[in-house]
Amino acid sequence: AQKITQTQPGMFVQEKEAVTLDCTYDTSDQSYGLFWYKQPSSGEMIFLIYQGSYDEQNATEGRYSLNFQKARKSANLVISASQLGDSAMYFCAMREWYGNKLVFGAGTILRVKS
Amino acid sequence: DSGVTQTPKHLITATGQRVTLRCSPRSGDLSVYWYQQSLDQGLQFLIQYYNGEERAKGNILERFSAQQFPDLHSELNLSSLELGDSALYFCASSAIAGGPTDTQYFGPGTRLTVL
Repeated sequence: AQKITQTQPGMFVQEKEAVTLDCTYDTSDQSYGLFWYKQPSSGEMIFLIYQGSYDEQNATEGRYSLNFQKARKSANLVISASQLGDSAMYFCAMREWYGNKLVFGAGTILRVKS
Repeated sequence: DSGVTQTPKHLITATGQRVTLRCSPRSGDLSVYWYQQSLDQGLQFLIQYYNGEERAKGNILERFSAQQFPDLHSELNLSSLELGDSALYFCASSAIAGGPTDTQYFGPGTRLTVL
């Protein structure tokens, strides 16, 4: 069964610095997708970035990049040049080839300090 | 703004009551998903509809039901409500039926409080 593990309940980062949020996953499928979502205190879930299991290059979207290490089954989110508005809960999620649902990790709360 | 709309934003009701949550997917998306987010269970998949048909079922209670209408909007019906049903309910939509590349976009959620 697919499983997502986020081992950091909370993280602090200084404004303008980079931060890495950890995510490891478990699946027996060869084809799957990995997603990161941001949930600010207002509650909505915002899609940030996607990585496919067969993608050879790490995904990037603006200040977000995904450090994908397939052999280690990790998909860490890197946020560069942190901003105060990055303070939020971040969820890693996975979807398998024949899957419909997203399976989410427990999330990591990120606080950006000025 | 993801393009997915949900109403109402907040709902306060009593135990034993029935409520209906509504979702309109992004323009062109055929799949609608419902998720429940609670402090103890985290984000849990409830059910998926694709082009009007039920496609997948997750941890959805028998007291809960959903449907997707011909205009592709979806409703989640929660009945015989219990205190433990208090949660944030999300609707998400995607273009196709599934697969690893099919990105789900979430609505703002409906916060349900059962008193």
